[in-house]
Amino acid sequence: EVQLVESGGGLVQPGGSLRLSCASSGINFSRFWMSWVRQAPGKGLEWVVNINEDGSEKNYADSVKGRFTISRDNANDSLYLQMNSLRAEDTAVYYCARVLGYGSRIGLFDHWGQGTLVTVSS
Amino acid sequence: DIQMTQSPSSLSASVGDRVTITCQASQDISNDLNWYQQKAGKAPKLLIFDASKLEIGVPSRFSGSGSGTKFTFTISNLQPEDIATYYCQQFNNVPPVTFGGGTKVEIK
Repeated sequence: EVQLVESGGGLVQPGGSLRLSCASSGINFSRFWMSWVRQAPGKGLEWVVNINEDGSEKNYADSVKGRFTISRDNANDSLYLQMNSLRAEDTAVYYCARVLGYGSRIGLFDHWGQGTLVTVSS
Repeated sequence: DIQMTQSPSSLSASVGDRVTITCQASQDISNDLNWYQQKAGKAPKLLIFDASKLEIGVPSRFSGSGSGTKFTFTISNLQPEDIATYYCQQFNNVPPVTFGGGTKVEIK
């Protein structure tokens, strides 16, 4: 059975840091690109970042570039998102997702976790 | 970045109705377009990929069409369990991937 389970969300003050984790099973984790996608309360979906199979290629949305860092541990089928210098506008549910595609067409999200809520507030 | 304009933002229809949602890309994206369903409090679920291909296990009342800049998503026989928000998403010449603003579907 395919499972993606996020954890690590919570309440953090502006300027603070948080590390999200995504534990996977049943998805052949090491063979696929992975992404984080977020959704602010009552809003639509926003792609945040993705990482290739061995972690050597990473792409970030402009809104998080320089503040967020994606990484992965293929030995433990896990994905991470280190979030620094957090802002109120980063408040959202963060989903990890498996990504299919090739070349410049990496962007078919076929499996999603249940999400973890990050709230940035003083 | 490629902008995706989805319409309408919400709609209300009766059980059994045919429902159509449109998505327009700001530039040609070939058929690099996916559709997702998101039920309240849940993660999105892939329904249609490459504009018109049905994901395994998705009921055949869901369909997609289009290419270039104009795309259509249709529910041919609306069911109560189809209450959800639907999103289009492009993946042509990424990054970044971009999503439409969503269409909330309700039952009359």
